Amino acid sequence: DIQMTQSPSSLPASLGERVTISCRASQGISNNLNWYQQKPDGTIKPLIYYTSNLQSGVPSRFSGSGSGTDYSLTISSLEPEDFAMYYCQQDASFPFTFGSGTKLEIK
Amino acid sequence: EIQLQESGPGLVKPSQSLSLTCSVTGYTITSGYDWSWIRKFPGNKMEWMGYISNSGSTNYNPSLKIRISITRDTSKNQFFLQLNSVTTEDTATYYCARYTYYGYNYFDYWGQGVMVTVSS
Repeated sequence: DIQMTQSPSSLPASLGERVTISCRASQGISNNLNWYQQKPDGTIKPLIYYTSNLQSGVPSRFSGSGSGTDYSLTISSLEPEDFAMYYCQQDASFPFTFGSGTKLEIK
Repeated sequence: EIQLQESGPGLVKPSQSLSLTCSVTGYTITSGYDWSWIRKFPGNKMEWMGYISNSGSTNYNPSLKIRISITRDTSKNQFFLQLNSVTTEDTATYYCARYTYYGYNYFDYWGQGVMVTVSS
């Protein structure tokens, strides 16, 4: 299985701040990397697919980048609704695997 | 609008089977896409469990292969998860999700999740 190492696990940040979450795969995944947001009520939605493509309806302050084994999600200026859990997920090969999650918290 | 809704018992005894239903509205599950089960454990780890395709074929996470079954009822536009011989390690929030592979591959629609506790 491809292991996804996500960091940091917790990220205290302030409104308006720029933050970056990282995800490293145990082997190359050829940009087959997606990002999801989980809100405190448990709802999950896609943010970014195939490394850098913004899901419809997701604000442009979210962006993704990376290649090979290293990927990142950046939020350019934090809004109140962005404080949530974030997960990366690879679908380069079965079984699909997720990162361990990053909890974005208000500082 | 496509919606997925999980349902099932919130409490299951150890060694018994966990059975959940995902009801899909706004899209016919035989028309396309793969239909997955994913779970999130206490402590935040997430695990893809498996899927049933629009044609009815299945693909399971090898870590669960001997315990898991995903089936469907096309007349009700539902698909199901059965997980046998559960232990307390199967306590989690269970999500159903649609996996799209038309162009790009990712889980584009999710249910709201159902919490299942395994306890005697």
